[in-house]
Amino acid sequence: AQRVTQPEKLLSVFKGAPVELKCNYSYSGSPELFWYVQYSRQRLQLLLRHISRESIKGFTADLNKGETSFHLKKPFAQEEDSAMYYCALMRNGNNRLAFGKGNQVVVIP
Amino acid sequence: DAGVTQSPTHLIKTRGQQVTLRCSPKSGHDTVSWYQQALGQGPQFIFQYYEEEERQRGNFPDRFSGHQFPNYSSELNVNALLLGDSALYLCASSPWAQETQYFGPGTRLLVL
Repeated sequence: AQRVTQPEKLLSVFKGAPVELKCNYSYSGSPELFWYVQYSRQRLQLLLRHISRESIKGFTADLNKGETSFHLKKPFAQEEDSAMYYCALMRNGNNRLAFGKGNQVVVIP
Repeated sequence: DAGVTQSPTHLIKTRGQQVTLRCSPKSGHDTVSWYQQALGQGPQFIFQYYEEEERQRGNFPDRFSGHQFPNYSSELNVNALLLGDSALYLCASSPWAQETQYFGPGTRLLVL
């Protein structure tokens, strides 16, 4: 079975500092990887997915199959980045998401 | 388009009771998935419906059942409620076989 691990529950960073959220997964096949974000009082929404190779709101994530990781990075954190971030995996050909436990990010002004 | 909608927003039940949660998918979406999110945890997949049939199921007991209607809306039913069923229940929709899922605001269920 697939598993997604987000080791740090809470991450506090100062505004303008870099932020990196770690995500490791266990799955023997070729997964689809996602980062979902939940801002205060809002619903869970897609931030980015590895296959699109986009930068969304300054965030990027690179899939490293050798290290089975999909870490989320942003060079300069903004106050509006304060939110809950979830890494999620979808098996190839399977439409169900397996989520990590999430990271609470707090950006200190 | 209001996106994915869920009702009710909050619900309080007692142990042993039964509950029905409802979900309307985003316009143009025909696939509905349900997730359970316990406090401090990430969402866990319960099951998925497409063409009015359960297509996939996660590791949840038979007390959890569902239904999809011809208009693609869906219900989640939980029988014989346990305290441990207290959680936020999320509905997500997508077009069939597309990976990006759109989530509703959730229904928060408290079992006393």
